[in-house]
Amino acid sequence: QQQVKQSPQSLIVQKGGISIINCAYENTAFDYFPWYQQFPGKGPALLIAIRPDVSEKKEGRFTISFNKSAKQFSLHIMDSQPGDSATYFCAASRGAGSYQLTFGKGTKLSVIP
Amino acid sequence: KAGVTQTPRYLIKTRGQQVTLSCSPISGHRSVSWYQQTPGQGLQFLFEYFSETQRNKGNFPGRFSGRQFSNSRSEMNVSTLELGDSALYLCASSLVDRISGNTIYFGEGSWLTVV
Repeated sequence: QQQVKQSPQSLIVQKGGISIINCAYENTAFDYFPWYQQFPGKGPALLIAIRPDVSEKKEGRFTISFNKSAKQFSLHIMDSQPGDSATYFCAASRGAGSYQLTFGKGTKLSVIP
Repeated sequence: KAGVTQTPRYLIKTRGQQVTLSCSPISGHRSVSWYQQTPGQGLQFLFEYFSETQRNKGNFPGRFSGRQFSNSRSEMNVSTLELGDSALYLCASSLVDRISGNTIYFGEGSWLTVV
C-alpha cells in the first residue's frame, strides 16, 4: 500500500517556467511533509518542509502548498532553472519525534534552456 | 559542520556474503535512520536508532540489522546477500529537539552491488 502518491513521474519545463509536483497522502496521522531534491550520485537534500497548521510555505523560488482536507500537498518551483534539474521526492512522517519518512516515488524534473 | 558521512561509498559483494555499512551522523545528532533506495521500490525505511536503541523498523527481512554506538555512529548489516539487495543505502541523522522537529538529513549513501 503506497501511502504517499506522487505525480508526475517526469516533468519537462522550460527555463523560467513554473514546475509543479503533486503529492497525496492517505494516513491522516502524518503531520510533517518535507520535500527532498536528489542529484545523480548524491543523497537526498532537504529542500523545504511544511506542517498541517499552515497552508503555504515559501522559501526563495520554492513554495509548498498544503490542502489538509484533500490530503494533498504540492511543490512549486518558480523561475525554474537548468540547475534545478533533479529528482524530487515528497515525504511524510507522523508524530513529533518521528524520524520514519514515507516517500513518494519521485519526479524527475528536466529544465530545458 | 560536516554532514552525514557514510562508508564505504561503493562496494561489490557476492550472493550469500554479508556486508556492513557505516554511518557517522552530523555532530550532535542522536537519531540515525537507514533507508534503501532502488529504482523499482524507491526510498524505503529500514530502521531508526536513538540512544543505541532501535525505535522503529521497516518491512524488511531479518537479514537486515543495525546498531548504534554510544557516540551515535551507526552500522547496518545485511547477511546472506541476495541479488535484490543491490541498492543505494542511505543513512540519515536528526538533531532530536523541539525546534528541529522531524528534520532529517541524508548522507550520500553506500552503493551496494550484489553479483
